[in-house]
Amino acid sequence: GAVVSQHPSWVICKSGTSVKIECRSLDFQATTMFWYRQFPKQSLMLMATSNEGSKATYEQGVEKDKFLINHASLTLSTLTVTSAHPEDSSFYICSARGRAGRETSNYGYTFGSGTRLTVV
Amino acid sequence: DAKTTQPPSMDCAEGRAANLPCNHSTISGNEYVYWYRQIHSQGPQYIIHGLKNNETNEMASLIITEDRKSSTLILPHATLRDTAVYYCIVRVSGGSNYKLTFGKGTLLTVNP
Repeated sequence: GAVVSQHPSWVICKSGTSVKIECRSLDFQATTMFWYRQFPKQSLMLMATSNEGSKATYEQGVEKDKFLINHASLTLSTLTVTSAHPEDSSFYICSARGRAGRETSNYGYTFGSGTRLTVV
Repeated sequence: DAKTTQPPSMDCAEGRAANLPCNHSTISGNEYVYWYRQIHSQGPQYIIHGLKNNETNEMASLIITEDRKSSTLILPHATLRDTAVYYCIVRVSGGSNYKLTFGKGTLLTVNP
């Protein structure tokens, strides 16, 4: 089945530094990537949607200059949290979707395993 | 996408069937019902989806009422590893940009 590899699984960084999270589709071409954030005991909140080769579309209230998303290839998308602060500590999850007509075995959406970011 | 309503939590005994309800009274004719689950500190996992017919796969069964305003996810023989938050989502199928919007889901706790 379709697999999305997300790295790192956890990261601790100092306040003011930047952190990059990678999301790779291993056996399919991910034309669209979705990035979610999840705070403790809350549901997943969509941050942005990115299509390969174009700029990401951010949800209302998400700072595009703080959360940089790059989707330069059909198998890789990255989320960079710039100048991280303790309030950015959260669980970040990517989701990938393949081309129409070539959808993954789970009908479109495959999720990464998530990245636990702690900013100290 | 139509809004869904799920109970916040449910308990189930190990080995018994777990029946998780979902109300989606404003569902449109072209919207599917999807079920995902999230085990603690992991990414969501697809379970099953359907339009109007009942569906079954190796993980679960999905029962959709005739008027499509509600559905039930059935885990036939729940195990401790099925403890997770279960999300019912309705949305149209197709189109790579369609996003999945997660509600609060149901925390299913399977007890020994």
